[in-house]
Amino acid sequence: AQSVTQLDSQVPVFEEAPVELRCNYSSSVSVYLFWYVQYPNQGLQLLLKYLSGSTLVKGINGFEAEFNKSQTSFHLRKPSVHISDTAEYFCAVSRSGGSNYKLTFGKGTLLTVNP
Amino acid sequence: DVKVTQSSRYLVKRTGEKVFLECVQDMDHENMFWYRQDPGLGLRLIYFSYDVKMKEKGDIPEGYSVSREKKERFSLILESASTNQTSMYLCASSPSGSHEQYFGPGTRLTVT
Repeated sequence: AQSVTQLDSQVPVFEEAPVELRCNYSSSVSVYLFWYVQYPNQGLQLLLKYLSGSTLVKGINGFEAEFNKSQTSFHLRKPSVHISDTAEYFCAVSRSGGSNYKLTFGKGTLLTVNP
Repeated sequence: DVKVTQSSRYLVKRTGEKVFLECVQDMDHENMFWYRQDPGLGLRLIYFSYDVKMKEKGDIPEGYSVSREKKERFSLILESASTNQTSMYLCASSPSGSHEQYFGPGTRLTVT
């Protein structure tokens, strides 16, 4: 079974500052990794995903994440945040290959961008 | 664009009522999922389905059942609603062979 730990439940930052949201996972098999964003009163939207290949993954809205297999991490970064980035962010893991398409989610990190 | 719709954004029901939450996707996806989302707990998988009339239990199936009679529709049923089922319910779908899920807007259910 897989598990995901998001190390920070809340991250407050000022506008135009850089941000890193941390995600660590646990799995005995190879995995795919995802970051989703949830704006207030909405469903989840995919930000980016790592399936294979380059460990640096670029997503929408200027976000990127780096897969680090040795540290079992998939931290999300943005060099300069905007007020509109205020949302809850979820890291998720899925077993790679096979026919098991379930996602296991972390508990979420609430990013609040202040002016 | 993939569209996943849920029948209600907000729902208020009484304890003991039978509750139906409907989810419809328009992209011919094989896989469909029901999650509940609670503050501080993230998303937890209730049930999922990889094909019509197929269903599998997720991590927290107790108190819930599902129905998938048509490929595009996946229903979550609360047989006898209880106050501890007050939550946000999210439906998602994905095509066969893909681990990327597309989410609906959610239904916020309050059981009083």
